[in-house]
Amino acid sequence: AQSVTQPDIHITVSEGASLELRCNYSYGATPYLFWYVQSPGQGLQLLLKYFSGDTLVQGIKGFEAEFKRSQSSFNLRKPSVHWSDAAEYFCAVGPGTNDYKLSFGAGTTVTVRA
Amino acid sequence: NAGVTQTPKFRILKIGQSMTLQCTQDMNHNYMYWYRQDPGMGLKLIYYSVGAGITDKGEVPNGYNVSRSTTEDFPLRLELAAPSQTSVYFCASTPRGPEQYFGPGTRLTVT
Repeated sequence: AQSVTQPDIHITVSEGASLELRCNYSYGATPYLFWYVQSPGQGLQLLLKYFSGDTLVQGIKGFEAEFKRSQSSFNLRKPSVHWSDAAEYFCAVGPGTNDYKLSFGAGTTVTVRA
Repeated sequence: NAGVTQTPKFRILKIGQSMTLQCTQDMNHNYMYWYRQDPGMGLKLIYYSVGAGITDKGEVPNGYNVSRSTTEDFPLRLELAAPSQTSVYFCASTPRGPEQYFGPGTRLTVT
C-alpha cells in the first residue's frame, strides 16, 4: 500500500522568503502525485499535480514541485511567499488504480510572518 | 456548476444521536469519496463509490454507512454518534482519474 510522509509539521517563513515543503512517498511504481492547500475553514484546493513527463511541474499561485524518483520525493517550492500563503499544505499520492483512491500526508502548516 | 456541495457546514450532536451528512456534485462524476480530517492526521478515507449502486469501505469505515442511489448524491450516515467521530468531513469526486475535487467540508462535534 502507498503511504505519504510530510516530515515538517509546522514551518514559519518570513514574507518574501522562499519556501520548501517536503513530501516523501512509498510506492512500488510511479504514482500520481498531488499538492493541495487548505486555507483556514476552507476545503482543499489543488495546487499542482504530477502524472508523468517533465519532473518539474508548475502550479497555481506561483508554486512548483519537483518529482525525484531516486529519492521518492515530491517537494513543493515557492520562491517568494506572500502573507496569503499561510495555510495547511497536503501532499497526496494515488496509485492510478481504477478506484482512484488517494493517500494523504499529515500536512504541513505554514505560518508567514511580516 | 456548483461543484461539490456539502450540508450542513456545522453540526453538534449528542452521543448516541444519528445524522446524515449530505454530499452532492453536479459535474456528473462517477467516483465519489468521503474523508475525515483530524488534526495532525491528514485525511483518512471513510468510504468511496465508483458509480451509482456501488460503494466500498476505505481506511476508517467503522461507525459510518453510505449509499449511492444516484450519480449526484453520496450521503454519509452516522449511527450512534460517538466523541471519536468529532472531525471535519470532506466529500470529493472525480470523473475518471486521480484528481479529486473537494467540497467545503462539514465540521461535526459530538458531545
